[in-house]
Amino acid sequence: DAGVTQSPTHLIKTRGQQVTLRCSPKSGHDTVSWYQQALGQGPQFIFQYYEEEERQRGNFPDRFSGHQFPNYSSELNVNALLLGDSALYLCASSPGRFGAGQVFGPGTRLTVL
Amino acid sequence: DQQVKQNSPSLSVQEGRISILNCDYTNSMFDYFLWYKKYPAEGPTFLISISSIKDKNEDGRFTVFLNKSAKHLSLHIVPSQPGDSAVYFCAASVTGNQFYFGTGTSLTVIP
Repeated sequence: DAGVTQSPTHLIKTRGQQVTLRCSPKSGHDTVSWYQQALGQGPQFIFQYYEEEERQRGNFPDRFSGHQFPNYSSELNVNALLLGDSALYLCASSPGRFGAGQVFGPGTRLTVL
Repeated sequence: DQQVKQNSPSLSVQEGRISILNCDYTNSMFDYFLWYKKYPAEGPTFLISISSIKDKNEDGRFTVFLNKSAKHLSLHIVPSQPGDSAVYFCAASVTGNQFYFGTGTSLTVIP
C-alpha cells in the first residue's frame, strides 16, 4: 500500500502564476483534505472533498480551488500566486465522510518568488 | 485566530525519562482531539486520539490526558526514546470535521 502520494515534491513559481498540486489517497479512502503549512506553523485546513464535492472550507480565498475525481484523487489549484502562498501543502485522506483516521502525504513544497 | 495553541516550541528530555507535551484550546465545542508526530520531509503521522467523553487514552508508551474544564490536553511519552525526536502537533475538531492544528512542539530526546 503506497499510502497517500503527492506530486510534485517541490515547485517554484513566480508571483501571479497559477499552480496545480496533485494527491492520490490511500487505498480504501474516499475523502481528501488539503492543508497549508507555513514555516513554523501548524497545518491550516484549506478544504475537504468527498463524493467529488467540496464539503468544508477553511478561511482561504477563492484563489484556492480544488477538484476530486471519480477515483478519489484530488487536485489543489492556486491562482494569482502571492509570496505568502509559499508553504508546504499537505494532502490527507480518510475513510468516510469525516476526517477521523486521516493519513497525510509527504507534502508539496511550493516556493513563490 | 489560533484556536489550538502549543506554547512550548521545543522540549529536550533525557532518554528513558518522561516527555510531557502540552496543548490548550479555546473552542469549547471541540470534542475530538489528536496528536500527530512529524519527521522532516514527511507528512504528519497519527499518534493517538481522544474523544471528549474520556479523560485519558493510552497506547503503549503514549498517553493523552484531556482536561475539558481547563481546555487542556497533554501527551505523555514514557519512557522517551531517541526515535521519538520529532515535531508533535495537537489537533482538535468538532465531530471529526475541520481539524485545527497547533503550531507544534519540537521534541529532542537526548541519548
